[in-house]
Amino acid sequence: SQTIHQWPATLVQPVGSPLSLECTVEGTSNPNLYWYRQAAGRGLQLLFYSVGIGQISSEVPQNLSASRPQDRQFILSSKKLLLSDSGFYLCAWSVRASGPYEQYFGPGTRLTVT
Amino acid sequence: AQSVTQPDIHITVSEGASLELRCNYSYGATPYLFWYVQSPGQGLQLLLKYFSGDTLVQGIKGFEAEFKRSQSSFNLRKPSVHWSDAAEYFCAVASFSGGYNKLIFGAGTRLAVHP
Repeated sequence: SQTIHQWPATLVQPVGSPLSLECTVEGTSNPNLYWYRQAAGRGLQLLFYSVGIGQISSEVPQNLSASRPQDRQFILSSKKLLLSDSGFYLCAWSVRASGPYEQYFGPGTRLTVT
Repeated sequence: AQSVTQPDIHITVSEGASLELRCNYSYGATPYLFWYVQSPGQGLQLLLKYFSGDTLVQGIKGFEAEFKRSQSSFNLRKPSVHWSDAAEYFCAVASFSGGYNKLIFGAGTRLAVHP
């Protein structure tokens, strides 16, 4: 069966520090991968998606970047964190096929920027 | 543009009571609809999905949802709520373009269950 991992689970970082969040998927190949952010009391905002290694698309301009160095690895980064980067970050995957499919979410990373 | 509206931000029900969470969507073509549940501090779990066919779909944990094209709605229901159902519920519609799925989420409905 497929599983999706995220780490760390929680992170407290000062403003201006770098960030690296990692997401890995097991049990599937060639998945589509997604990064979402969930601000306190709000819905989910799609940040990045990837349909393959090295292929990253951004949904919104921001202080963050994403990379996909391996088929089942998706990394969210920042060179200098802002207070507004605080939130709950969720990674998700879906099958890559010619049609809409459900997405499966990881457990999330709680990021607090101080 | 596609959108999803969940009119109720918070709902409180008594344990054992019935539940209906509302979801309205705006989508030009045949919608692909989902309900997810999120417990505090957790990721999202898929409850059920509608792609086509029978407009009443069954999901996990005793939930069901009914697709009504005429009302652009996909409401989630449960006949008898358990305390463990307290969570946040998200409705989503999928759009497919450029080889990937994009899920558009509603703002969520937070469900509280009184004993």
